[in-house]
Amino acid sequence: AQSVTQLGSHVSVSEGALVLLRCNYSSSVPPYLFWYVQYPNQGLQLLLKYTSAATLVKGINGFEAEFKKSETSFHLTKPSAHMSDAAEYFCAVSEGFQKLVFGTGTRLLVSP
Amino acid sequence: DSGVTQTPKHLITATGQRVTLRCSPRSGDLSVYWYQQSLDQGLQFLIQYYNGEERAKGNILERFSAQQFPDLHSELNLSSLELGDSALYFCASSSKEGASDEQYFGPGTRLTVT
Repeated sequence: AQSVTQLGSHVSVSEGALVLLRCNYSSSVPPYLFWYVQYPNQGLQLLLKYTSAATLVKGINGFEAEFKKSETSFHLTKPSAHMSDAAEYFCAVSEGFQKLVFGTGTRLLVSP
Repeated sequence: DSGVTQTPKHLITATGQRVTLRCSPRSGDLSVYWYQQSLDQGLQFLIQYYNGEERAKGNILERFSAQQFPDLHSELNLSSLELGDSALYFCASSSKEGASDEQYFGPGTRLTVT
């Protein structure tokens, strides 16, 4: 079965600093990978997805992620954090008919 | 706004009761997914429907059932409720059912069982 592991349940950065949220996947077949963001008391919003077209994927709000097969990783980055980026971020892998298997989430805290 | 609507937003009920959660997918989307989000289990896939047919089941309890109607809206029925069923229940939809198709999530229904 496919799975994802998110390292770090909490990540703290200062406003303007680099954001790096880590995700490693386990899959026996080429995976489809997704990053979702959840703001407090809201549903999940898709940030970006990897579908094998390009290893560097650009998403919304300045986020991007790089698929590295050799490292089985799909880390999410943003060059400069904004206060509005504070939220919970979920990495997910698609299994079978698009059933999403989610990681445990990483809460991003941004301080002024 | 994802275009997926869920009602009600909040639901408070007692143990042993039965509730129904409703989801309307984005216009034109044929696939509906239900997920449960709780503190101890995280985000878990429950069940998927595509154009009225059940397609996949996850860790869905026997006390839970779902269906998708001809107008494509879906309902999740939870019965004999237990305290541990308290969670946020999300519905998501997608246009098809390919593994690469993104899912659009509704705002969720927060269920509290007392």
